[in-house]
Amino acid sequence: GQSLEQPSEVTAVEGAIVQINCTYQTSGFYGLSWYQQHDGGAPTFLSYNALDGLEETGRFSSFLSRSDSYGYLLLQELQMKDSASYFCAVRDKDTGFQKLVFGTGTRLLVSP
Amino acid sequence: NAGVTQTPKFQVLKTGQSMTLQCAQDMNHNSMYWYRQDPGMGLRLIYYSASEGTTDKGEVPNGYNVSRLNKREFSLRLESAAPSQTSVYFCASRTIEAGGYSGDTQYFGPGTRLTVL
Repeated sequence: GQSLEQPSEVTAVEGAIVQINCTYQTSGFYGLSWYQQHDGGAPTFLSYNALDGLEETGRFSSFLSRSDSYGYLLLQELQMKDSASYFCAVRDKDTGFQKLVFGTGTRLLVSP
Repeated sequence: NAGVTQTPKFQVLKTGQSMTLQCAQDMNHNSMYWYRQDPGMGLRLIYYSASEGTTDKGEVPNGYNVSRLNKREFSLRLESAAPSQTSVYFCASRTIEAGGYSGDTQYFGPGTRLTVL
């Protein structure tokens, strides 16, 4: 099966940089994804890494090290609207990589 | 391009009642999914459909049935609702780029907030 570990909560101030780590265990790797979810909202896709290295999309970057089964989401120039839950996720090999297994989520609180 | 749409947005049922949650996507995606999310919890997969005409159980399928009506539509049915099915239900569809090397994205609908009394 698959399991993912993330910190439960992270706090930061506006303008700062925050890193949310994710370690995973999986029988077959297909890529690491990151999703954002605001309270009362639907998850929205942020980033995806299939290969080692850093992917940058605006203020958000995501990093993957397959040898360490580790990734992180880096959020720069934090804004109040970044307060949300962030989930890392991997595909389940046992379902032909159909099922997306989510971590328990990291709640990010951005203060003024 | 509306993405993934779900109806209804809110629903209150009495124990034992049945209902169908509707989901449609206009992005020509093959794979579609149904999740539930309980307060303060992560997403749990109920059922998925890898392509038109196929459906498979996820982590928590008991008490639910699904129909992949066509490529666009994937419905979730509660035959006899129970209070334990009170949750937010999300439908999603998936696109893959270059066999997964360039991208693998799930698009979620806005959700249906279901309360079973």
